Parts: sequence; C-alpha cells; structure tokens
Amino acid sequence: AQSVTQPDIHITVSEGASLELRCNYSYGATPYLFWYVQSPGQGLQLLLKYFSGDTLVQGIKGFEAEFKRSQSSFNLRKPSVHWSDAAEYFCAVGVLAGAGSYQLTFGKGTKLSVIP
Amino acid sequence: DAGVIQSPRHEVTEMGQEVTLRCKPISGHNSLFWYRQTMMRGLELLIYFNNNVPIDDSGMPEDRFSAKMPNASFSTLKIQPSEPRDSAVYFCASSTGQGVRPQHFGDGTRLSIL
Repeated sequence: AQSVTQPDIHITVSEGASLELRCNYSYGATPYLFWYVQSPGQGLQLLLKYFSGDTLVQGIKGFEAEFKRSQSSFNLRKPSVHWSDAAEYFCAVGVLAGAGSYQLTFGKGTKLSVIP
Repeated sequence: DAGVIQSPRHEVTEMGQEVTLRCKPISGHNSLFWYRQTMMRGLELLIYFNNNVPIDDSGMPEDRFSAKMPNASFSTLKIQPSEPRDSAVYFCASSTGQGVRPQHFGDGTRLSIL
C-alpha cells in the first residue's frame, strides 16, 4: 500500500526567507504526486502536481517542487516566503484504483508559521 | 465558476442524533470523494464515487456511516446514530476525467457531536 511521510509537523520561518517542506512517499509504481495548501477554516487548494516529464514542477503562488525518484521525495520549495503563506501544507500520492478511478493518500501535513 | 459546495458549514448536535452532510460537486466532474479530517488521524478517505457509483467504501468507519449519490450533482454522507468521536471536519472533493486527476475540495463541514 502507498504511504506519504511529511517529517516536519511544524516549521517556522521569517518572512522573506526561503522555504523547503519535505515529503517522502512509498509506492511501487510511478507516482502521481500533489501538494495542497489548507488555510484555517477552508478546504484544500491544489498548489502543484507531478504526473510525468520534467521533474521540477511549478505551481501557484510562487511554489515549486522537485520529484526525485532515487530518494522517493517530492519536496516543496519557495525562494521567499510571504506572511500570507502561513497555512498547513499536505503532500499526497495518487494511485489508480478500480473502474478507472483513483484515490489520494495524504501525509499528516506540515504547519507553516511565518514571523515578521 | 462555482467550486465544490458543502452544507452545512457547521453542525452541532447531540449524540444519538442523525446527521446529514451534503455536497454538490463541480459541474461535469464524474468522481466524488468524502474525507474526514481530525488532529489525530489527519485526512482519511471515507468513500468515493465514480459516475455516481460507489467504488470503494473501505474507509467508512462503521455501519453508522452511509453515503449516497443519487445523481451527478448531489451526494450525502449520513451518520446515524452520531457519537462524540465522529466530531471532525468532513470534506467533499470532486475531479474529472479518467485516471489520476487533481481533486477540488469544498470548504468542509465542521461537525461537533456533544
């Protein structure tokens, strides 16, 4: 069965500093990988996705992520964090299921705090 | 464009009562997913539908939980009878097409069972 590990439960960075959120996955085949962000009281918003091709993917809000097959990782990065980036971030792996459908398995999330 | 719409946004009820959560997926999306989010267990997939048909309900905690999708634009998740341990945020998500596609989430229903 597939699994996703986000080793950092909570990260605090200063506004303007760079950010890297870690994500490791376990899956026997080619993974479909996602990063979502959740602001308080809201649902999850898709930041970016990796299906195939270029291993460095660009997303919304200035985020990017790099797929490294050898390390089973899909880390999220941003060169300069803004106060509005404070939220919880979820990494997920998508797996094809029956009847042409699929399901996402999520990590436990990393809460990001930004200090001025 | 309207996103995934969930109702109610908040529900507070006493244990033993029936609770019904509602979801309207994005028009044209043919897959619908129900999730539960708690501090202890994170995001858990409860059940998902493809073309209105339940595909996998192995995540449904027990028989007190049931879900239906009578048509392409509406789904319900019902808990009967409710218990305090059911308190959580319940999310509905939808996606389109075949294969792995991004899921679009609603804002969730925060459920408190007293």
